[in-house]
Amino acid sequence: AQKVTQAQTEISVVEKEDVTLDCVYETRDTTYYLFWYKQPPSGELVFLIRRNSFDEQNEISGRYSWNFQKSTSSFNFTITASQVVDSAVYFCALSGLTQGGSEKLVFGKGTKLTVNP
Amino acid sequence: DAEITQSPRHKITETGRQVTLACHQTWNHNNMFWYRQDLGHGLRLIHYSYGVQDTNKGEVSDGYSVSRSNTEDLPLTLESAASSQTSVYFCASSESLAGPFYEQYFGPGTRLTVT
Repeated sequence: AQKVTQAQTEISVVEKEDVTLDCVYETRDTTYYLFWYKQPPSGELVFLIRRNSFDEQNEISGRYSWNFQKSTSSFNFTITASQVVDSAVYFCALSGLTQGGSEKLVFGKGTKLTVNP
Repeated sequence: DAEITQSPRHKITETGRQVTLACHQTWNHNNMFWYRQDLGHGLRLIHYSYGVQDTNKGEVSDGYSVSRSNTEDLPLTLESAASSQTSVYFCASSESLAGPFYEQYFGPGTRLTVT
């Protein structure tokens, strides 16, 4: 079965601190995709990144960076120099083919990040 | 601009009533999904569809049904609302023909309260 674990339920930091959100996944698929979504206080879900299982290169987008390590089944998300606007719930998700051809996106339970001024 | 909308945004209903939540997307995506979000559970998949006339059960499908008569819409029906179905419901869509390998775009959510 596929599973995503976000062990950090809540994180609180002070503005300008760096913060890393952990994501550990379980899957038996050889082909799969990993995602991060942001849910700000307004409630909408915003797509941040998609990474496939064959691409272990780290990715950087502005203050955001992602570290994908298949050896540890982790896909961690780092925010550098955090800002108050980064306050949100962040979800990690996993997608892949399952036996029988059915597919679904499995979400972790989310990490609530609070950035204090 | 293409978008995905949900209506109503807020709904209060009584136990036992039938409720239908609408989802409409103008992305022309083949794939559409319904999730519910509850504190401590993250998002859980209710039903999904890979195209017109196709529907599939997700992780928490009991008490819910969907139908797909066109590309743009996937209404979610609660046959007989129960208090356990009080939740925030999100609709999403994605473009892949082979499953949810592409990012899903989410609607703004519907907050449903069953009294």
